[in-house]
Amino acid sequence: GAVVSQHPSRVICKSGTSVKIECRSLDFQATTMFWYRQFPKQSLMLMATSNEGSKATYEQGVEKDKFLINHASLTLSTLTVTSAHPEDSSFYICSAGQREGRDEQYFGPGTRLTVT
Amino acid sequence: QKEVEQDPGPLSVPEGAIVSLNCTYSNSAFQYFMWYRQYSRKGPELLMYTYSSGNKEDGRFTAQVDKSSKYISLFIRDSQPSDSATYLCAMSASSGTYKYIFGTGTRLKVLA
Repeated sequence: GAVVSQHPSRVICKSGTSVKIECRSLDFQATTMFWYRQFPKQSLMLMATSNEGSKATYEQGVEKDKFLINHASLTLSTLTVTSAHPEDSSFYICSAGQREGRDEQYFGPGTRLTVT
Repeated sequence: QKEVEQDPGPLSVPEGAIVSLNCTYSNSAFQYFMWYRQYSRKGPELLMYTYSSGNKEDGRFTAQVDKSSKYISLFIRDSQPSDSATYLCAMSASSGTYKYIFGTGTRLKVLA
């Protein structure tokens, strides 16, 4: 159990375009999903916390108008990188909290974004 | 000072060795302590999840938490080449917000 998927696994886009990344919890309902960013040989940096049916909470320094997050259902959250630039190239990973009262987060396989 | 400190390694050990991975932290509010394994270009995989101080064992893995010293450890017994990965510690406070703070990760290489 506790499987999280991400799509796409890899995407290359041109500078100025927008890219949408999907995160799905496959076998459980996730009231909370999280989006992280990871640069090579660095740790995960939390970008935002997404709760189903409400606005996402962004970490300090993360532009909410650039990184649009939509948690449309208990099994789906999306991250849209708008007007992408080469510096947005990174590994984006989502995670999902399994249920109320538990703190475990289960991670998706990640999406590698390359902006040319 | 970072909230969570973790030696980035790399740590190389021979197959069959006992591996000790550690993290220290500064925030006494942390109550939940996790260890994740991350293979290259993959998402982190939850290995151990512990609450407060004490030990927890799961197969070849043992997690230890010493809140008085603000120090956590992960031990891997009978290490295998397939254990070669980056090991991330993560912590969160008992606030219910689920926010994790991660260490930088330790790269482990188990040599056959």
